[in-house]
Amino acid sequence: EVQLLESGGGLVQPGGSLRLSCAASGFTFSSYAMSWVRQAPGKGLEWVSSISGSGDSTYYADSVKGRFTISRDSSKNTLYLQMNSLRAEDTAIYYCAKVRIQLWLMDYWGQGTLVTVSS
Amino acid sequence: QSVLTQPPSVSAAPGQKVTISCSGSSSNIGNNYVSWYQQLPGTAPKLLIYDNNKRPSGIPDRFSGSKSGTSATLGITGLQTGDEADYYCGTWDSSLNAVVFGGGTKLTVL
Repeated sequence: EVQLLESGGGLVQPGGSLRLSCAASGFTFSSYAMSWVRQAPGKGLEWVSSISGSGDSTYYADSVKGRFTISRDSSKNTLYLQMNSLRAEDTAIYYCAKVRIQLWLMDYWGQGTLVTVSS
Repeated sequence: QSVLTQPPSVSAAPGQKVTISCSGSSSNIGNNYVSWYQQLPGTAPKLLIYDNNKRPSGIPDRFSGSKSGTSATLGITGLQTGDEADYYCGTWDSSLNAVVFGGGTKLTVL
């Protein structure tokens, strides 16, 4: 059974940093691309970033490019999202998702972790 | 404002059929497959339809998808109260080099 468990969310001040983790199990982690998708309170889904199975290729939404870094550790079956220079508009639930084939085809999602950026 | 356009809400009675549209352009829907996601209240999104019209294992055939040109449609027949959720379409946008989602459609089963 595929399981994705996010952690690392919390309250951070504007300009601060946070690192999210997503522990994966139930599938061959290194064989699949992974993504982060966020959802601001009461709003729709927004794609944040994706990374290939090997980790060689990364993709970012313009809204986070230069501030967020996606990475993965296949020895730990864990996906990461390093978030720097956080802004109030980054406040959202962050979901990690397993990519089936195309980057927009996410077949399993974690339960999400809440990031709140506020002073 | 989302790249893909969905109606904010739709509603229908139990047992009836409803369709949800997703409108895009040649840089996204027109040249890429479309996926649909269901988000029940307070839960994570769930893959409902992929490659325009395919259903993952476990998704009932009451749910269907189609695509024509730069628009896609999700259809739900035999509506149940448990279908009340937000529904999102998603695809790749070749001009933006980004995954794009519709703004979401809230389905109410009256």
